Amino acid sequence: AQTVTQSQPEMSVQEAETVTLSCTYDTSESDYYLFWYKQPPSRQMILVIRQEAYKQQNATENRFSVNFQKAAKSFSLKISDSQLGDAAMYFCAYRPSNSGYALNFGKGTSLLVTP
Amino acid sequence: DVKVTQSSRYLVKRTGEKVFLECVQDMDHENMFWYRQDPGLGLRLIYFSYDVKMKEKGDIPEGYSVSREKKERFSLILESASTNQTSMYLCASSWSGLTDTQYFGPGTRLTVL
Repeated sequence: AQTVTQSQPEMSVQEAETVTLSCTYDTSESDYYLFWYKQPPSRQMILVIRQEAYKQQNATENRFSVNFQKAAKSFSLKISDSQLGDAAMYFCAYRPSNSGYALNFGKGTSLLVTP
Repeated sequence: DVKVTQSSRYLVKRTGEKVFLECVQDMDHENMFWYRQDPGLGLRLIYFSYDVKMKEKGDIPEGYSVSREKKERFSLILESASTNQTSMYLCASSWSGLTDTQYFGPGTRLTVL
């Protein structure tokens, strides 16, 4: 079974600074999809960014970008110009391309943003 | 906007009770999912459904069953609730494409006494 590891249970960043959340995964597949989800204190989970493994270019969405290193099986999330509203739990998730639609989630990283 | 709703935000039940958690989505999604979220464990998949009346077990199906009689509704059933099923339950839905986003409901915090 594929596993997703988020080695940082908690992270802290000051407003306007940049923070990087780590994620590694274990798979024998060559084609798969990776996601970062955000869960604010209100609990509604929302998609932040996604990456297709066959694409070499790192995905970006405004202040959010990823560093995808396929050989190292690493998928980190960088948040630039952090804002108070970025405070949340962040989950990394993996989905293989050929076996269903469910996601395998990491255990999450709690991000605190300080003024 | 896609909307996924769950019948209750908070629920308190007694051990041995039969519990129904309801999830409804309004975007005609084929896929629906039930996850359980526990601190330090992340989200774990209980069941998912890729079509009406179709279901697949996830990683932790024991003690749970599901029902999908209509496309927009996916129910999670605890036949006989136990204290170790106290948790946050999240429902999600998506279209069939492999890159398609899963949209989550607000969650139901279930406490079994």
